Amino acid sequence: ETGVTQSPTHLIKTRGQQVTLRCSSQSGHNTVSWYQQALGQGPQFIFQYYREEENGRGNFPPRFSGLQFPNYSSELNVNALELDDSALYLCASSSLAGGETQYFGPGTRLLVL
Amino acid sequence: AQRVTQPEKLLSVFKGAPVELKCNYSYSGSPELFWYVQYSRQRLQLLLRHISRESIKGFTADLNKGETSFHLKKPFAQEEDSAMYYCALRTGGQNFVFGPGTRLSVLP
Repeated sequence: ETGVTQSPTHLIKTRGQQVTLRCSSQSGHNTVSWYQQALGQGPQFIFQYYREEENGRGNFPPRFSGLQFPNYSSELNVNALELDDSALYLCASSSLAGGETQYFGPGTRLLVL
Repeated sequence: AQRVTQPEKLLSVFKGAPVELKCNYSYSGSPELFWYVQYSRQRLQLLLRHISRESIKGFTADLNKGETSFHLKKPFAQEEDSAMYYCALRTGGQNFVFGPGTRLSVLP
């Protein structure tokens, strides 16, 4: 059984650019959630995908968007990057939308200059 | 508004001493509370949830709706308990609200 993987591990972008982060869910999991964790803070829920549909969204602007693919892997896209988007982005997968344990990936560290 | 607070950023205790990590929440609905832990160089992982009413690695947490608290306790801390601990609240569906975290340092 493979765990949650994320790519890239880290990247640097400049303000105004666009970025795509990727997540492969744990085998057997059909739900993926994305979180933003700023330095010194807890993770903040961005959104969740269940069977390729958005299944809940936190307080993030529309320039944060996502996709889930038939194999349940997922992408997080952020347009028009701002300096405050610099953070660790975490992906978590689970087996049901209703409440199974979330398994977290190692995260992607994004720095916006 | 939904909110989770953890008043201590850092908590240091000696090995063998009791430890209590505080967590308070605000939520108008029926809360579901969790504790997550992140050991050094490891991923964030679930420690326990209030629904299960279980003890994991000697830790327990009781949901007190009157005080809107979900404090994490262990009677005898071990050095391997040193980690970052996050309290989290699930509010309808999969929207998790995490607290800012408490770093527990267990001294030898």
